[in-house]
Amino acid sequence: SQQGEEDPQALSIQEGENATMNCSYKTSINNLQWYRQNSGRGLVHLILIRSNEREKHSGRLRVTLDTSKKSSSLLITASRAADTASYFCAGTDKLIFGTGTRLQVFP
Amino acid sequence: EAGVAQSPRYKIIEKRQSVAFWCNPISGHATLYWYQQILGQGPKLLIQFQNNGVVDDSQLPKDRFSAERLKGVDSTLKIQPAKLEDSAVYLCASSFSTAGSYEQYFGPGTRLTVT
Repeated sequence: SQQGEEDPQALSIQEGENATMNCSYKTSINNLQWYRQNSGRGLVHLILIRSNEREKHSGRLRVTLDTSKKSSSLLITASRAADTASYFCAGTDKLIFGTGTRLQVFP
Repeated sequence: EAGVAQSPRYKIIEKRQSVAFWCNPISGHATLYWYQQILGQGPKLLIQFQNNGVVDDSQLPKDRFSAERLKGVDSTLKIQPAKLEDSAVYLCASSFSTAGSYEQYFGPGTRLTVT
């Protein structure tokens, strides 16, 4: 299974703080994606990192990938209330999602 | 570009009734996916189409769920008969290709309540 398991399950921070969430997976993957899901809305693709990349940036997002440890991390810098959502990781060959990290950003 | 369209957005049915969901993917996207997302869980892949052929339906409860994508464009997912545990959001997604470097675009989902 390429299922991602996100950690922590829940995270609460204040606006302006950084949020870090982690993802571990069981089998080898070619690429890994991170998605965001706001309450009541569909999933939105955030960033894709390829297996030969170690780090990738997109705006306030920074993703790392360690294929030897089968893990990835998503860092959101200078968080905003609008970042409140659930975050999921998944391998791209067959998207199998974990239960996600529920991020709450307080104003 | 237009996103993935799904209808209806909400549906309430009684157990043992049947229900159908419709999805229209982004134009030009060959791959279409149906996911089931139960409250508090991540989405679970039910079926994946490449054009009008099934790539993976290993997690589709085939005794009650069926899906088709006859012309390789839009798709329908049917449940017959529905059970209480089928209450969930059904998400449709599409991507340009099954190759791993392509992201999936998700529709808004259909929220199904089975009473």
